[in-house]
Amino acid sequence: EAQVTQNPRYLITVTGKKLTVTCSQNMNHEYMSWYRQDPGLGLRQIYYSMNVEVTDKGDVPEGYKVSRKEKRNFPLILESPSPNQTSLYFCASSRSLGTVYGYTFGSGTRLTVV
Amino acid sequence: DQQVKQNSPSLSVQEGRISILNCDYTNSMFDYFLWYKKYPAEGPTFLISISSIKDKNEDGRFTVFLNKSAKHLSLHIVPSQPGDSAVYFCAASSTSGGSYIPTFGRGTSLIVHP
Repeated sequence: EAQVTQNPRYLITVTGKKLTVTCSQNMNHEYMSWYRQDPGLGLRQIYYSMNVEVTDKGDVPEGYKVSRKEKRNFPLILESPSPNQTSLYFCASSRSLGTVYGYTFGSGTRLTVV
Repeated sequence: DQQVKQNSPSLSVQEGRISILNCDYTNSMFDYFLWYKKYPAEGPTFLISISSIKDKNEDGRFTVFLNKSAKHLSLHIVPSQPGDSAVYFCAASSTSGGSYIPTFGRGTSLIVHP
């Protein structure tokens, strides 16, 4: 089944403790992206990657890092999480930036930083 | 500065009636538009899209209308069903320059009452 898999689905952590949210897609998609969803703010892009070793900042990159060493994986790294990073995170992928295909989103990771 | 605006945070409709979800954009470079549907505890799923060379695109009960001069698009659902109850995100992107990176609105929560 074609899908984007995020792990974990739920995570509670403490301020300052480094964490990684994994994202993997099995569709050989070139383009991958991370979004956060907050009440009243919709989906905001954190980082995106157009291909292996090519990443760039989205609208809200502060406090996050990403890497794209392989085409299928695009982990999101929070080096020193803070409470304002409590949010619902989505990873997405697309065959290319040809928008006719749309995005495939993962099921989300709900992160709570205390 | 919101480039994609969904000014109605919520919409309530009776089953069998028409649901109309609206979206406005400010960036005249946007030329491709998408709608996504999101159920609780799931990632958004691609619903329907439209290119700026068209003013209408239809897929079953879902129709998207684009008014370029007004920088406005709308999603019509006819007839509405309780299973359509979800959050709907409008997204817009610019295909010039190869960017394609979509900008999302804040979403409209649709509730369809039996």
